[in-house]
Amino acid sequence: AQRVTQPEKLLSVFKGAPVELKCNYSYSGSPELFWYVQYSRQRLQLLLRHISRESIKGFTADLNKGETSFHLKKPFAQEEDSAMYYCALSSAGGTSYGKLTFGQGTILTVHP
Amino acid sequence: EAGVTQFPSHSVIEKGQTVTLRCDPISGHDNLYWYRRVMGKEIKFLLHFVKESKQDESGMPNNRFLAERTGGTYSTLKVQPAELEDSGVYFCASSPRRNRGNSPLHFGNGTRLTVT
Repeated sequence: AQRVTQPEKLLSVFKGAPVELKCNYSYSGSPELFWYVQYSRQRLQLLLRHISRESIKGFTADLNKGETSFHLKKPFAQEEDSAMYYCALSSAGGTSYGKLTFGQGTILTVHP
Repeated sequence: EAGVTQFPSHSVIEKGQTVTLRCDPISGHDNLYWYRRVMGKEIKFLLHFVKESKQDESGMPNNRFLAERTGGTYSTLKVQPAELEDSGVYFCASSPRRNRGNSPLHFGNGTRLTVT
């Protein structure tokens, strides 16, 4: 069975500080990993995915298959980064691409 | 493009009553998903439609939940009879038919269901 773990429910940092939101997964096959974000009063939206290997809003995430991790990082946090962040996993291939397994989410608060 | 819309945004019902949630996906999106987040827990998959067909309903909790997608357009999720543990936020998401690579899920704002 696949599982996603986000060990931190709450994370607080000051503006300009580095931030890392942790995500670990368990899956026997070849997963695809995502980070979704929900800003206050907005809908859940995709932030980034590991296959794109891109940086969005200064965030990056590297899939580490050895450690089964997909931590989200940003070197200098901004107040507008305050939101709920979800790590999610999809089994690659087949018809189940949109069937996501979510972690419990991490509420990030960036203080001025 | 118009996003995924869900109705109502909030519903409060009594235990034993029936509630129907509606989701209008983005036009042209064949894939439609229902998810829910109950208090204190993670967002969980309920089911997946491809057009009007149920592709995967492995996440449906029990037979009190019935999902339909008439004509492959909008979808409804009916809970009958509702129980206290059904309280939570129900999300709908859609994506194009061949959801690979550049096509993420587009989520609606969710329906907050409260069963008292």
